[in-house]
Amino acid sequence: EVQLVQSGAEVKKPGESLKISCKGSGYSFTSYWIGWVRQMPGKGLEWMGIIYPGDSDTRYSPSFQGQVTISADKSISTAYLQWSSLKASDTAMYYCARGASGITIFAWFDPWGQGTLVTVSS
Amino acid sequence: QSVLTQPPSASGTPGQRVTISCSGSSSNIGSNYVYWYQQLPGTAPKLLIYRNNQRPSGVPDRFSGSKSGTSASLAISGLRSEDEADYYCAAWDDSLSGRVVFGGGTKLTVL
Repeated sequence: EVQLVQSGAEVKKPGESLKISCKGSGYSFTSYWIGWVRQMPGKGLEWMGIIYPGDSDTRYSPSFQGQVTISADKSISTAYLQWSSLKASDTAMYYCARGASGITIFAWFDPWGQGTLVTVSS
Repeated sequence: QSVLTQPPSASGTPGQRVTISCSGSSSNIGSNYVYWYQQLPGTAPKLLIYRNNQRPSGVPDRFSGSKSGTSASLAISGLRSEDEADYYCAAWDDSLSGRVVFGGGTKLTVL
């Protein structure tokens, strides 16, 4: 079974750093893109960026470029999303999702992780 | 403001057919595949339709997708109470060095 399992909920203070994870199993981790999607409370889905673990090719949404860092460790089939200095406005649910295989990026995401809730509050 | 435009809400009674629209432009829907996602309350999104009109295994044939020009639609026939969810369209957008864009989402209520 193809599965993505994300790390648990986090409560942080403004200015703190954070790295959340997404572990893939049941498929060739290096052959599929992994995307990250933000969902703020009561709001819609926003694409943050995507990484190809095979060669670490990474693309960011212009809205998130410079705000977060996406990385992957193919030796442990895990992708990461990290912040160097959190803001209250980063409070949201963050989902990882397996993208398409190969060099072309599509808006195809299946399956999705269960989500990681990040709360940033002083 | 989302790049793809969806109605914020839709509704229908059990057994009815409802459609949800998704409007874009030549840089996204007009030149790339459209995908649809279903998000049941309190859960992660799930792929519902891929490549405009294809259903993943396990998705009932009550769900269908179509695309024409720069617009797409999701149709749900034989509406059931368990279809009450948020629905999102998505596509690759060729502008700004390329990005995935989502619609703002449509909340479907089964009356």
